[in-house]
Amino acid sequence: DTGVSQDPRHKITKRGQNVTFRCDPISEHNRLYWYRQTLGQGPEFLTYFQNEAQLEKSRLLSDRFSAERPKGSFSTLEIQRTEQGDSAMYLCASSSWTDTGELFFGEGSRLTVL
Amino acid sequence: AQKITQTQPGMFVQEKEAVTLDCTYDTSDPSYGLFWYKQPSSGEMIFLIYQGSYDQQNATEGRYSLNFQKARKSANLVISASQLGDSAMYFCAMREGRGNAGNMLTFGGGTRLMVKP
Repeated sequence: DTGVSQDPRHKITKRGQNVTFRCDPISEHNRLYWYRQTLGQGPEFLTYFQNEAQLEKSRLLSDRFSAERPKGSFSTLEIQRTEQGDSAMYLCASSSWTDTGELFFGEGSRLTVL
Repeated sequence: AQKITQTQPGMFVQEKEAVTLDCTYDTSDPSYGLFWYKQPSSGEMIFLIYQGSYDQQNATEGRYSLNFQKARKSANLVISASQLGDSAMYFCAMREGRGNAGNMLTFGGGTRLMVKP
């Protein structure tokens, strides 16, 4: 399977714990995005990488959130001191370097904070 | 103001009929792109169709076509010959600026389409 893969698919944690999600994009894609989707809503942009450089960060990405893409391949999204409001689906997407480049999404990592 | 508005929370369509899903957008940037994505119950977002702001013709992809009315800032998705597998959430999204700066998308709230046999 050469699509975008995300791990874990589901994570249940207690408030205050740290969680980390991993995304493996399509191998030839140099662009990688993180989005968050809450129930009944459309996805909201969080952050964007071009190769290993983090070029855009949404105001939604509080200080408790950090994302990395150390070698320009896979990416991690860490949430520190989780809060119940962090419960959502975290979607990763990748795209190639084209003006009309469509985003290819993974199946998402669902976070539940108790 | 909402940048992407989808006014139909849910819609029914009879199998084999055509259906139009509405989307209006708001931007002052002359360069932008409009996307439609499908999200089945499995959760994965599936790209359907793209329209650039400078494209002269409406985009088409198989049974999907985009009715782009620039002056009215609308980008409605038309699905012809609906199939049961078309039942899903549909999201309209917009990228402001040129895509070579990255495709950071703003999504609408979605429309749930249900196809009746």
